Amino acid sequence: DVKVTQSSRYLVKRTGEKVFLECVQDMDHENMFWYRQDPGLGLRLIYFSYDVKMKEKGDIPEGYSVSREKKERFSLILESASTNQTSMYLCASSSGMTAEAFFGQGTRLTVV
Amino acid sequence: AQRVTQPEKLLSVFKGAPVELKCNYSYSGSPELFWYVQYSRQRLQLLLRHISRESIKGFTADLNKGETSFHLKKPFAQEEDSAMYYCALENQAGTALIFGKGTTLSVSS
Repeated sequence: DVKVTQSSRYLVKRTGEKVFLECVQDMDHENMFWYRQDPGLGLRLIYFSYDVKMKEKGDIPEGYSVSREKKERFSLILESASTNQTSMYLCASSSGMTAEAFFGQGTRLTVV
Repeated sequence: AQRVTQPEKLLSVFKGAPVELKCNYSYSGSPELFWYVQYSRQRLQLLLRHISRESIKGFTADLNKGETSFHLKKPFAQEEDSAMYYCALENQAGTALIFGKGTTLSVSS
């Protein structure tokens, strides 16, 4: 059973803080993704990575960065959190052989 | 441009009624399409993909290239089908999924 695990279910941070969201997958998947989920907007891709130390911008990368130092771990970084980054963040992984993505349980981030 | 459109934000039906969740896409070539479902307090999970042509939990979806649609159907809705449903399309580069905005299905007795 594929497992994608996000380190926190809920986070509350202050405006201007640097925020780290962590994600780990245990299926040796090549690809990892960070999406943002907002009501009425669906899922929007922030960044993805197809290999260690490799990253590609998605549709809404502004205000975010990512890090992939190990194959199983993909981190999303908010350099200076702002209230408009309050959202549900979903991490996902896929094998690269197929587009099917497996999702983590999500991190609900509130920036106050 | 690659895009997925789910025209309905909310679909409310009674138990036992037929359900059709609409999905239209724009894509050049042969698309790979998916339906994902998110039940309350659960993670997003794959429901079905068009290339497998299978029925999951009574749901089916047929790719109609002429109408660029991939509607999700079930002949008799159950209360446990209440959830958020997302249609998704593999992007042209084959690197990520593009999601629609989602449709909330509410099934009441």
